[in-house]
Amino acid sequence: EDQVTQSPEALRLQEGESSSLNCSYTVSGLRGLFWYRQDPGKGPEFLFTLYSAGEEKEKERLKATLTKKESFLHITAPKPEDSATYLCAGTQGGSEKLVFGKGTKLTVNP
Amino acid sequence: DSGVTQTPKHLITATGQRVTLRCSPRSGDLSVYWYQQSLDQGLQFLIQYYNGEERAKGNILERFSAQQFPDLHSELNLSSLELGDSALYFCASSVGGRYAQQQYFGPGTRLTVL
Repeated sequence: EDQVTQSPEALRLQEGESSSLNCSYTVSGLRGLFWYRQDPGKGPEFLFTLYSAGEEKEKERLKATLTKKESFLHITAPKPEDSATYLCAGTQGGSEKLVFGKGTKLTVNP
Repeated sequence: DSGVTQTPKHLITATGQRVTLRCSPRSGDLSVYWYQQSLDQGLQFLIQYYNGEERAKGNILERFSAQQFPDLHSELNLSSLELGDSALYFCASSVGGRYAQQQYFGPGTRLTVL
């Protein structure tokens, strides 16, 4: 069964303290790996799509990377407004549906 | 703002009742997806429509059904509601027709079954 596992479940950082979130997947024939940000009670907001091992994408303080078995979301010098739940999802060949992990809840304290 | 709209924002109803959730995709998007988010299960794919036709089905209960209309808006119908159906229901849209496209999510409908 296709699975996406995220770790840690929750992460507390001080403002400016860089860290990484992990997403490992067992989606056979992975076609795309997606990162979303979700604020409480809101819909997921698209961040990045990664298609092949070695690919990297950046947006402000966030950088997403992909290997053959996992993806990382690196957060550099985070600010309190980066506090949210970060979701990872994969799609496989032959399907457009997203298989989501349960997310990492990030809290950045000032 | 993703451009995907969902109504209503909140729904409170009783067990055994039937409700309809509505979604309008982003302009130009042909695919609509429905997801259910509960505290213990995370985001689960329910069903996808592409240009009016059902494209894929996930863990959707037989009590639930959906359709996509000629103007591309979609409705998710939930019937014989149970307490366990309480969740956030999200609609997402994409251009469709290709794999691994980003999906844009609406603000969701929070369903509470009492």
